[in-house]
Order: sequence, then structure tokens, then C-alpha cells
Amino acid sequence: GIQVEQSPPDLILQEGANSTLRCNFSDSVNNLQWFHQNPWGQLINLFYIPSGTKQNGRLSATTVATERYSLLYISSSQTTDSGVYFCAAFNFGNEKLTFGTGTRLTIIP
Amino acid sequence: GAVVSQHPSWVICKSGTSVKIECRSLDFQATTMFWYRQFPKQSLMLMATSNEGSKATYEQGVEKDKFLINHASLTLSTLTVTSAHPEDSSFYICSARQLGLDTQYFGPGTRLTVL
Repeated sequence: GIQVEQSPPDLILQEGANSTLRCNFSDSVNNLQWFHQNPWGQLINLFYIPSGTKQNGRLSATTVATERYSLLYISSSQTTDSGVYFCAAFNFGNEKLTFGTGTRLTIIP
Repeated sequence: GAVVSQHPSWVICKSGTSVKIECRSLDFQATTMFWYRQFPKQSLMLMATSNEGSKATYEQGVEKDKFLINHASLTLSTLTVTSAHPEDSSFYICSARQLGLDTQYFGPGTRLTVL
């Protein structure tokens, strides 16, 4: 099956800093999603981005499908951005969403 | 729109008992539902996929007799952990998908602790 790796595994930043999270996937995918898991465990959909670039406020994401990676950018970080960020790849062949290893982001005031 | 609920949000039980977790799609019909398990500081691992009205498909290494899944309607799937043991303690998350779409919507999760 598809392997999905994320980097870095942990990231600690001060409030106001910018960050880039990376997601590499081992095979062609039909869809790539980014999620934020809050401290209570709820997964929040951030982006559905099989290719190209999307922006939503301080967050943006870019997927380069031909090179099998996706990036999540967070600008002007706030403490509420803390949590774990997961990317997940979907393949029509096996109809499964495979989650990456996650990046734990901690924003300190 | 696209809200998925889970009940209960947390449960503590004694070893050997069975626990049922419900997953409901509140404002859409979910032809496919998924059950994931997440251990502390780890990623989500797919346990099984269920389609309404048919038997669930389990991932390799997941005991189907231990984790009973029922998807009786287009808005409800249940996961029953039978004869639970401490090693079954985990965070269980369901998701739901509409027919023809590949976006999954996730429930808030259920934290199971087996004493």
C-alpha cells in the first residue's frame, strides 16, 4: 500500500512565526487531505488538495502530485494552531485513506 | 453540513465486558463508513470499512470476531469491542463518506479505557 511520511515529526515555534509541514507519499494518489487534530482528538478537515495550491486564511497548501509531495504552510502562528497535523492520501484503487505519521506542532506564547 | 457524531465520547469498562460505539452521519447519507484506531502519539490506523447492508471488510491483523461492525442504515454504524482487554484501550474514530465522493468526514472519537 501507499506509504505516507511527514516531516518534521515535532515542531516548536513562538507565536507569530511561520512554518512549513511536508508530506511525502510513495505512489500516485487521487486525493490528498490535510487535517488538524485538536487536543481533544477531533480531526478537522483543512484542505482537500489532490493538486495545485489552495489558501484559507493563514493556512495554505500545495500538492505537487507528479513529485509525490504536499506542503502545508501556516503563517503568523497562534497558540490555537497547536496540535497534530496529519496528511492523508486516498487512492481509488483500494478506496482507502492512508494517514501520514503526523507533525506535532507546539506554539508557545 | 457533513457532521458525524459518535457516542459515547469516552467509556471505561472492566476487562471481559463488551462495549458498543455508535457512529452517525447527521445530515447526509453515508454509504460507506470507516473505523480507525489511534494509540497515544501515533497515527490513525484503519481497522475496517463497512458498506450499508453488507459485511464489513477488515484490515489485515484486525480480529473480526473481536471488533464487530454493523452498518444497518445509511446513517448509523456500530463498533462492538467484545470481551475487551486492557490492550484494547485506545481512541476509536469513525468516518463517513457519501456515495460517489472520496472525502471522508470524521467523528469526534471515542476514548476507550479497559481496566
